[in-house]
Amino acid sequence: EVQLVESGGGLIQPGGSLRLSCAASGFTVSGNYINWVRQSPGKGLEWVSVIYPGGNTFYADSVKGRFTISRDNSKNTLYLQMDSLRVDDTAVYYCVRGELQTFDSWGQGILVTVSS
Amino acid sequence: SYVMTQPPSLSVAPGKTARVTCGGDNIGTKSVHWYQQKPGQAPVLVIYFDADRPSGIPERFSGSNSGNTATLTISRVEAGDEADYYCQVWDSSSGHRVFGSGTKVTVL
Repeated sequence: EVQLVESGGGLIQPGGSLRLSCAASGFTVSGNYINWVRQSPGKGLEWVSVIYPGGNTFYADSVKGRFTISRDNSKNTLYLQMDSLRVDDTAVYYCVRGELQTFDSWGQGILVTVSS
Repeated sequence: SYVMTQPPSLSVAPGKTARVTCGGDNIGTKSVHWYQQKPGQAPVLVIYFDADRPSGIPERFSGSNSGNTATLTISRVEAGDEADYYCQVWDSSSGHRVFGSGTKVTVL
């Protein structure tokens, strides 16, 4: 069974850093497209970043230069390093497995609140 | 980046047909995917590559895509179909994935 479990969220001040983790089971992160998708309270879905099986990475313009996606194949875990956090980064962050174009398995999501 | 527009909401009576639209410049040249999100839950893929259904998704859900509009059609609407629906595409020129603004479907 495919499972993705996010951790590492919480309350952080503007300008701070946070690292989200996504522990995967039932498949290998190294062989799949793994994304981060976020949803601000009461708002729509926003794609954040993706890492390809070959290691290529892409970022939404809103987070490029501040967020870094990575993976640890030995731990079968995905990460999102978030630096220079802003109030508008407040959202539920989902770890999502997919194919090149689609998102087919979602984690339960983890809340990140950026506030002073 | 590529922009897709959805109506914020639509209401439909049980047993009727709901059509959720997703507008974008020449969206017919892209593959469109649709997600259903119920309150407090993660989204679920309901249509991929314009009109294909994942296993477990009822045949009542169908999709089409042409010109500047993609459409998700829900036939014989049930109370359990009440949810937010999002269209999504892959922008191959930038590598970005893009979601539409979302439509809240209310079953009367």
